[in-house]
Amino acid sequence: EDKVVQSPLSLVVHEGDTVTLNCSYEVTNFRSLLWYKQEKKAPTFLFMLTSSGIEKKSGRLSSILDKKELFSILNITATQTGDSAIYLCAAPDLGGSNYKLTFGKGTLLTVNP
Amino acid sequence: NAGVTQTPKFRVLKTGQSMTLLCAQDMNHEYMYWYRQDPGMGLRLIHYSVGEGTTAKGEVPDGYNVSRLKKQNFLLGLESAAPSQTSVYFCASSPLAGGQYEQFFGPGTRLTVL
Repeated sequence: EDKVVQSPLSLVVHEGDTVTLNCSYEVTNFRSLLWYKQEKKAPTFLFMLTSSGIEKKSGRLSSILDKKELFSILNITATQTGDSAIYLCAAPDLGGSNYKLTFGKGTLLTVNP
Repeated sequence: NAGVTQTPKFRVLKTGQSMTLLCAQDMNHEYMYWYRQDPGMGLRLIHYSVGEGTTAKGEVPDGYNVSRLKKQNFLLGLESAAPSQTSVYFCASSPLAGGQYEQFFGPGTRLTVL
């Protein structure tokens, strides 16, 4: 059975801190790993990491993929209160099908002023 | 483009009542998904569809039925609601298989079953 495990489950930091969120996965036939940000509504897409793209960056957010050790990290530098959200990672389900995503339970990030 | 829309936004049901949640997308996506999100559980897939007229079970399908009569719509039905179905329900769509392209999510429906 596919597994996507995120850590920590929750994190409280102060504005300006740098945070690292972790996602480990156990999948066969790895295709991609996705990161989403969820505020008080629908998840919104952040990054997709694939075999051909193991590092992505957008502003203060960056993510890397370690295919050998089967994990990904999401870094947020100079955090702001607007970064407070649940961060979800997901990987396509196994069994040769990439129709489904398996999500981790998420990391709840709280950034205090 | 409205993207992915869901109706209703909120609903309160009594145990045993039935209801249908509607998801609509205007992006001409082939794939559509229904998830439920409970505290500490992440997103769990209920049912999904890989095209008009097709549906398949996800991780937690019991107590739910779905239909995809039109490409742009994906309906989630609860025939006899139970308190365990109290949750936030999200619909999502993607242009191709969800592992190669991002899924786009609707705003969610908060359902309470008393």
